[in-house]
Amino acid sequence: GENVEQHPSTLSVQEGDSAVIKCTYSDSASNYFPWYKQELGKRPQLIIDIRSNVGEKKDQRIAVTLNKTAKHFSLHITETQPEDSAVYFCAASKSGGYNKLIFGAGTRLAVHP
Amino acid sequence: IAGITQAPTSQILAAGRRMTLRCTQDMRHNAMYWYRQDLGLGLRLIHYSNTAGTTGKGEVPDGYSVSRANTDDFPLTLASAVPSQTSVYFCASSEGSSSGELFFGEGSRLTVL
Repeated sequence: GENVEQHPSTLSVQEGDSAVIKCTYSDSASNYFPWYKQELGKRPQLIIDIRSNVGEKKDQRIAVTLNKTAKHFSLHITETQPEDSAVYFCAASKSGGYNKLIFGAGTRLAVHP
Repeated sequence: IAGITQAPTSQILAAGRRMTLRCTQDMRHNAMYWYRQDLGLGLRLIHYSNTAGTTGKGEVPDGYSVSRANTDDFPLTLASAVPSQTSVYFCASSEGSSSGELFFGEGSRLTVL
């Protein structure tokens, strides 16, 4: 089955710097890659997603890139702000449904003023 | 609009006791899911339901059961709780079973002693 590895497990940056979180997946048939943000004590919320027919997607300060050949995808946050501090989860699934969505272990991002 | 409501928010339970975590959504979503969140392991799918009347097993179904009698409700039952079931449990829903955002509830923190 699918396996998703996420690195780093913790990341500390200064406000204004960029942050990059990387995930690798094992199943070459995976074609949907969402990212969820979970603030302390809150529910996970979708922040961006990408499908395998696209190499990059941007939404304001966040972007996701996908390398299907290498089977990895990354989340990029530019101009980080303290409110970006949270745990970020990547996930991967193949067509057939969210019942096959596999999450990474999470990255705790701390943005210091 | 409440979205997804989970109850209880927190519970301490003696090992061997039966426990039902409740989940109700008001978005008329077809698909619903139960995840458990453990430090260092991310979110793991326990059971899912693609539509009312159907359920399926996720990554870690042992020791848990679910039912989906109607669109709105998706309770998770621990028949005989064990300490390894200590976790934060999230209910989620999606409009379809393979597209759109996963909407999560606020979570239920369960401690089994």
